[in-house]
Amino acid sequence: EVQLVESGGGLVQPGRSLRLSCAASGFTFDDYAMHWVRQAPGKGLEWVSGISWNSGSTGYADSVKGRFTISRDNAKNSLYLQMNSLRAEDTALYYCAKSVNALDYWGQGALVTVSS
Amino acid sequence: EIVLTQSPATLSLSPGERATLSCRASQSVSNYLAWYQQKPGQAPRLLIYDASNRATGIPARFSGSGSGTDFTLTISSLEPEDFAVYYCQQRSNWSITFGQGTRLEIK
Repeated sequence: EVQLVESGGGLVQPGRSLRLSCAASGFTFDDYAMHWVRQAPGKGLEWVSGISWNSGSTGYADSVKGRFTISRDNAKNSLYLQMNSLRAEDTALYYCAKSVNALDYWGQGALVTVSS
Repeated sequence: EIVLTQSPATLSLSPGERATLSCRASQSVSNYLAWYQQKPGQAPRLLIYDASNRATGIPARFSGSGSGTDFTLTISSLEPEDFAVYYCQQRSNWSITFGQGTRLEIK
């Protein structure tokens, strides 16, 4: 059974940093691209970032480019999102998702709240 | 950035009726279009990928069509569990965008 479990969320002040992790199991992690998608309270889905199976390619939404960094450790079956210079508008539930032709499995999300 | 526009924003129908949801892209996305269902408090669930392929375990009442810039998700006969928010999503190189969603509510 595919499982994706996010962790590392919490309350953080504007301008500070936070690192999200996503632990994957139930599939061959290093065969698949992975993504982060967020959802602000009561709002729609927003793609944040994606990374290829071997970390050779990455992509970022314009809203986070230069502030967020996606990475993965295939030996640990883990995906990460380093979030720097956080803003109030980054407040959201952050999902990690496995990618084949689309985002076929999602975690339950990690809540990030940016507030002073 | 490719913008996806979903219509209508809200669709009010009764169980047993047919639902037709639209997604229009600001430029061609070929057939790289997916549809997701999201219920309150749950993560999104993949329904359709590459415009017309049902994901694993998705009932046959869900179907997708279209290519280029115009896409449709059809639910042939609504079940009570189908009332939710639906999102379309495109992928191009290393950029993904979602539509703003269509809320399917019980009439």
